[in-house]
Amino acid sequence: QSVLTQPPSVSGAPGQRVTISCTGSSSNIGADYDVHWYQQLLGTAPKLLIYGNNNRPSGVPDRFSGSKSGTSASLAITGLQAEDEADYYCQSYDSSLSVVVFGGGTKLTVL
Amino acid sequence: QLQLQESGPGLVNASETLSLTCTVSGDSISSSSSNSYWGWIRQPPGKGLEWLGNIYYIGTTFYNPSLKSRVTISVDTSNNQFSLKLSSVTAADTAVYYCARGTYYPSLDYWGQGTLVTVSS
Repeated sequence: QSVLTQPPSVSGAPGQRVTISCTGSSSNIGADYDVHWYQQLLGTAPKLLIYGNNNRPSGVPDRFSGSKSGTSASLAITGLQAEDEADYYCQSYDSSLSVVVFGGGTKLTVL
Repeated sequence: QLQLQESGPGLVNASETLSLTCTVSGDSISSSSSNSYWGWIRQPPGKGLEWLGNIYYIGTTFYNPSLKSRVTISVDTSNNQFSLKLSSVTAADTAVYYCARGTYYPSLDYWGQGTLVTVSS
């Protein structure tokens, strides 16, 4: 299993707000390493959504936001749209394993 | 606009070495920001992402310890490419392999489209 734990799936209706959690430990998120988030549409490469916990690259809508507290981080998506249906991954660094780690991924379904 | 493109065999025999190249266009690997790094990530069919390693244009590398003895990443600035070699492959190495670039470690802001490599036994 992944060092960073994400729920396997979340869902929401169009227009709603959903959050995806990413739970780590004292050797990664809790050690103050930054968390980054990716969106992967079906059959495509991942796309950077959030870097450095809460920063959006140019072109990413402000409907997407990130936060971090203690050993966990969250991705929030407001005003849910059908095009948001995708897999979402968190990423950080683990000092015990000395490796960049990804969460197991969360499948977002827009109802 | 920076673009990355993976290339290499789509089928590799078990116990042999997987070799992939990532060709970068739209910017020079060696003239990119000094904090740019170039990475390889893979994704087995239906599964999550795994970081393989990354390299800076000056040649400094960081590898996933779980693969360290098998993986080698190198850069060819004259051809604006960087490469991945993974030795002694098994069926577990079957995956889509992505190359990518980042500037805020270890996030990756530009990705190739990915290439499926199947290990045949």
